[in-house]
Amino acid sequence: KAGVTQTPRYLIKTRGQQVTLSCSPISGHRSVSWYQQTPGQGLQFLFEYFSETQRNKGNFPGRFSGRQFSNSRSEMNVSTLELGDSALYLCASSPHGPNYEQYFGPGTRLTVT
Amino acid sequence: GENVEQHPSTLSVQEGDSAVIKCTYSDSASNYFPWYKQELGKRPQLIIDIRSNVGEKKDQRIAVTLNKTAKHFSLHITETQPEDSAVYFCAASIGIEAGTALIFGKGTTLSVSS
Repeated sequence: KAGVTQTPRYLIKTRGQQVTLSCSPISGHRSVSWYQQTPGQGLQFLFEYFSETQRNKGNFPGRFSGRQFSNSRSEMNVSTLELGDSALYLCASSPHGPNYEQYFGPGTRLTVT
Repeated sequence: GENVEQHPSTLSVQEGDSAVIKCTYSDSASNYFPWYKQELGKRPQLIIDIRSNVGEKKDQRIAVTLNKTAKHFSLHITETQPEDSAVYFCAASIGIEAGTALIFGKGTTLSVSS
């Protein structure tokens, strides 16, 4: 099976702009979780989608949002970008959810200037 | 909020030695504890996991132990090799709203010198 893919791999944006990141899970996986990885805070949970429904959300402001499509592909959106949003954004797919084996994508490196 | 503490933050060993990384979690309802290995510039990869109804699990040179009473779990790597050099993350599951999430430790950078 093909692994988890994410696009784009690298992105440079300016403060105040918005950005959309995409994640394609492993075929058959219905759960997609998103994480923000930074050197200072490590891996932090953003939200999880299962069968097009957001099941939970981490402690991030409302500028961070997401959605999942019927083919399980997921997107996350960050509006009104801030310098502190610069990070590696990782998605992970699982057949059932974060309480089972999760497979990470390569990540999208977002730089906000 | 719920958190996972991981120690040490850095660990240097000689090839062939053992390495131990320890994590403590706060949510007594946590029941799934995975360990991920992340090499430089690569994605995290699951190396072993354990559920709360099991005290120990082994996979070749890697083992994980869980003490639910003390709320801590550990990763043990025996006969370390240079290719074991990476950042290791522990995680614990927590319940949020209608689902679960993983809370990660801050990571341990393991360096194995030959």
